[in-house]
Amino acid sequence: NAGVTQTPKFQVLKTGQSMTLQCAQDMNHNSMYWYRQDPGMGLRLIYYSASEGTTDKGEVPNGYNVSRLNKREFSLRLESAAPSQTSVYFCASDRGGYYGYTFGSGTRLTVV
Amino acid sequence: AQTVTQSQPEMSVQEAETVTLSCTYDTSENNYYLFWYKQPPSRQMILVIRQEAYKQQNATENRFSVNFQKAAKSFSLKISDSQLGDTAMYFCAFMKGGYQKVTFGTGTKLQVIP
Repeated sequence: NAGVTQTPKFQVLKTGQSMTLQCAQDMNHNSMYWYRQDPGMGLRLIYYSASEGTTDKGEVPNGYNVSRLNKREFSLRLESAAPSQTSVYFCASDRGGYYGYTFGSGTRLTVV
Repeated sequence: AQTVTQSQPEMSVQEAETVTLSCTYDTSENNYYLFWYKQPPSRQMILVIRQEAYKQQNATENRFSVNFQKAAKSFSLKISDSQLGDTAMYFCAFMKGGYQKVTFGTGTKLQVIP
């Protein structure tokens, strides 16, 4: 029972490079999310997808794009990485309401 | 917009003792859910306990319990018989009913001392 799988776990990018963080869930959840975690700031929502075919901006969407490829997969793309995007990125999914999120193991991204 | 405040950046507790982590939130909603998540050094986020706002009874999960004070907008987490494995960052979180987006607090780093 894999839950939510994120790849890669670690990545170092140079300023201006692009990359895509991958996320897949096998729990048949409708909703998926991307958060970033920074010291002293908790987790902040970047983008979310309430259902297949829909995406919406969260609190900190600038510099990111997302794709809900199908019900299982939700990717996050950095088109031109900046040092301010150095963070730990979490993907999550949920079946709604009371049950809370299931998180992936996170991606530690460093932009130099 | 909802806000979640955790006023204790760091705390420590002796093994086998009890510790309480504080959380307050601000909302005008009447239907919502509250959560505590644990993030050990492994970085994995783990759901510890959850509470529905319309339920007056405080949630309990083994050694973890909450003190939910709806009028005061307070949602504290009590850990009894603390164990070394409880060492982690703890996040309080809020979700408005009918929506899936969750707002997280800034976290409390808990150290359990042998």
